[in-house]
Amino acid sequence: ELKVEQNPLFLSMQEGKNYTIYCNYSTTSDRLYWYRQDPGKSLESLFVLLSNGAVKQEGRLMASLDTKARLSTLHITAAVHDLSATYFCAVGEDMRFGAGTRLTVKP
Amino acid sequence: NAGVMQNPRHLVRRRGQEARLRCSPMKGHSHVYWYRQLPEEGLKFMVYLQKENIIDESGMPKERFSAEFPKEGPSILRIQQVVRGDSAAYFCASSPGTPRGRQYFGPGTRLTVT
Repeated sequence: ELKVEQNPLFLSMQEGKNYTIYCNYSTTSDRLYWYRQDPGKSLESLFVLLSNGAVKQEGRLMASLDTKARLSTLHITAAVHDLSATYFCAVGEDMRFGAGTRLTVKP
Repeated sequence: NAGVMQNPRHLVRRRGQEARLRCSPMKGHSHVYWYRQLPEEGLKFMVYLQKENIIDESGMPKERFSAEFPKEGPSILRIQQVVRGDSAAYFCASSPGTPRGRQYFGPGTRLTVT
């Protein structure tokens, strides 16, 4: 059974700093999704990564996929308060979700 | 193009009652997925449906839960004889023709069982 692990689960960072969230998964997969969820809200699609080496960037967020290492990263550059949310990765056709990383950006 | 719609947004039921959650996929989408999110946790896949067919129900509890996606009308997630542990947010997502493609999520139904 596919297992998806995210780390860290909680992340508190200061504005202007950089950080990376990791998503590891246990079996081969060729697709990975990143979503954002604000408290009490639904999920917003951020990135869809469909091949080894895929890299996508949107604003201060950049996602990459290494299918050989079974690893995706979500890199945050120069964080701002508006990025505070929970970030989920989901892997494969089954869309198995990680537990989420709750990000808090402090001034 | 309206997004995925779910109703009701909030639902309160007493233990033993039935809960019916509705999901209308995005226009042109023929695949529907249901997820459950317990407080402070990630999403857990429940069931994947196409029109009139259940494709994958591996995440559905064996008892009390059922789902359908009829030829006409919304998809329905039905929970019979609800218990307190059923309290959660239930999200529906839809995708276009490609099976298991990118999914677009609805706003969710927050079920509270008292």
